[in-house]
Parts: sequence; C-alpha cells; structure tokens
Amino acid sequence: GAVVSQHPSRVICKSGTSVKIECRSLDFQATTMFWYRQFPKQSLMLMATSNEGSKATYEQGVEKDKFLINHASLTLSTLTVTSAHPEDSSFYICSASQTGIGYEQYFGPGTRLTVT
Amino acid sequence: QKEVEQNSGPLSVPEGAIASLNCTYSDRGSQSFFWYRQYSGKSPELIMFIYSNGDKEDGRFTAQLNKASQYVSLLIRDSQPSDSATYLCAVISPDSNYQLIWGAGTKLIIKP
Repeated sequence: GAVVSQHPSRVICKSGTSVKIECRSLDFQATTMFWYRQFPKQSLMLMATSNEGSKATYEQGVEKDKFLINHASLTLSTLTVTSAHPEDSSFYICSASQTGIGYEQYFGPGTRLTVT
Repeated sequence: QKEVEQNSGPLSVPEGAIASLNCTYSDRGSQSFFWYRQYSGKSPELIMFIYSNGDKEDGRFTAQLNKASQYVSLLIRDSQPSDSATYLCAVISPDSNYQLIWGAGTKLIIKP
C-alpha cells in the first residue's frame, strides 16, 4: 500500500519552455502533497505543501509564479515549471500523506528535469 | 533553527553484522520520527516511523527513540549488500509547522 507515482520520470526541455510533472497517490487519498527538489549530493529541499482544493504554501525563496502547483483532487497534484532555465535542472520529487501534515510521507519515484 | 544531525559517514559494516545509525535532534517538542532509505539517483523510501519512546521492530529493522536524550536510532540486523544506501532521519515538530526536518543522511556501505 501507500504507492505514489510520478510522470514523467525524465524530461529534457529547452530553455524558456514549461514542463508539467504529475504526482498521483495510487491506493490512498492524499490529504496533503509535498514537492521537493534535490540537487546532486545535496539534501532534499521542500518547495511547497499543498492540500486538495486550496492554494499551495510555498517555502521561503521558492517563486510561486515559476513553480505552479495544482492539487486538483485527493489523488493528483501537478507541478509546472514555467519558463524553465538550465539552473532549474534538478530531481523533483513529490510525496503524499494520507493523514495530513505531521505524519508519514510516501514518496514518488521522482522526475529528473534537464533544461538545455 | 531546528536541526537534525547525522554522521555523514560512510559507515562501513560487514555483511551479516548489525548496522547502527544514529540521529539527534534539537527540538525537544518533536513528536514524530522517521527513517528513510535513499539509493543513489532514487527517491526516499520510508523504512520506519516511531512516535513513542522505546523500540519499534519491523523485520530486520529496529527504530529506537529516546526523547529525554533527543536521539533516534535505526538498527539493521543481518546487514545485506542491498542495504547499502543513504539513510535519512527526519523529524516533525509543532515548531516546524509540522513539516519534515531532514538530516543530511548517513551513507551506509555493507561489505560482502
């Protein structure tokens, strides 16, 4: 149980274009979903937290207009990287919690974004 | 600044032995404690979570929590080469707005 999927697993895009990443909880309803970014050999960095039907809460230093998050249902959240630049190249990982914040999070397999 | 500290390692353990991973945290009000395993290039996988003082066992894994001393540990019995990974400790406290506060991780190497 507690399976989270992400799509796509890898994406290469040109600078200036937008990329959408989907995160789905497959066998449970996710009260809360989280988006992380991880650069090579660095720790996970929380970007934002979202609850179904409400606006995402972004961490300090994360541009909400650049990283658009939509949590349309209890099983789906999307992250759109708008006007991507090479410095946005990273490993983006979502996680989901079925009982909300303060409880265990289950991670998706991640999406490796490369911006050329 | 709430902190979670882990020895970065690498921690080298012979196959079949017990691997002991430790984590200390600064916020005495922390309530939930998690161990994740992350293989290189992959996302974290939840191994154990523990909320109460004492030990919690799941197969070859045992999580130990000592709130008075503010540490949580993970023991891996009968270590296997497939256990080689980075182990991340994460803590939740009310003061962190209930977000996970991550340690930097300990790299574990199991030598055949």
